[in-house]
Amino acid sequence: GGIITQTPKFLIGQEGQKLTLKCQQNFNHDTMYWYRQDSGKGLRLIYYSITENDLQKGDLSEGYDASREKKSSFSLTVTSAQKNEMAVFLCASSRDWGTSAETLYFGSGTRLTVL
Amino acid sequence: GDSVTQKQGQVTLSEDDFLFINCTYSTTTYPTLLWYVQYLGQGPQLLLKVTTANNKGISRGFEATYDKGTTSFHLQKASVQESDSAVYFCALVASSGSWQLIFGSGTQLTVMP
Repeated sequence: GGIITQTPKFLIGQEGQKLTLKCQQNFNHDTMYWYRQDSGKGLRLIYYSITENDLQKGDLSEGYDASREKKSSFSLTVTSAQKNEMAVFLCASSRDWGTSAETLYFGSGTRLTVL
Repeated sequence: GDSVTQKQGQVTLSEDDFLFINCTYSTTTYPTLLWYVQYLGQGPQLLLKVTTANNKGISRGFEATYDKGTTSFHLQKASVQESDSAVYFCALVASSGSWQLIFGSGTQLTVMP
């Protein structure tokens, strides 16, 4: 088995602040993802990384940057926090980018609050 | 583009009640349809997968089926327990050559003891 660790669990920032969320996985998976979860809106893909040196934009990438520092870690940066940004950010991984991508393994999330 | 609609935002049942959650989808190919479950304080986890090949998936007492004619897929369980309280998401694999998952908005299931 493996685990996805997201830090911090809770993040409080000021409007306009640059904030970074971190994710580590020990599955040895190739592909990692960042999703945003808003109440009543499901999960929306922000960024994903197919392999260690890859970075792809999802449907919700505007206002965010991402970085795949190494195979096991994937960071997300909120470039300028906005009050309507309050949500739970979920990191996930899959074995690779293929049929294995149907099975995502999620972390427990970082809850962002913007004051 | 591909889309998934999950209209039941909240469902409240009593223990031993029958559960039925429905999603509709729009895609240009034969889809792979998924159900994920998210327990309180955790990330979502894959519960079931349904493909055009098998038409049905079964896991942990849950059954998922799909209806190509109405482009809908369903999650059901004959007798729910309090421990089944969670958020259930339907999802499909994008048809654009990408392996991106398209998620529905989720159904919060609360099972009363």
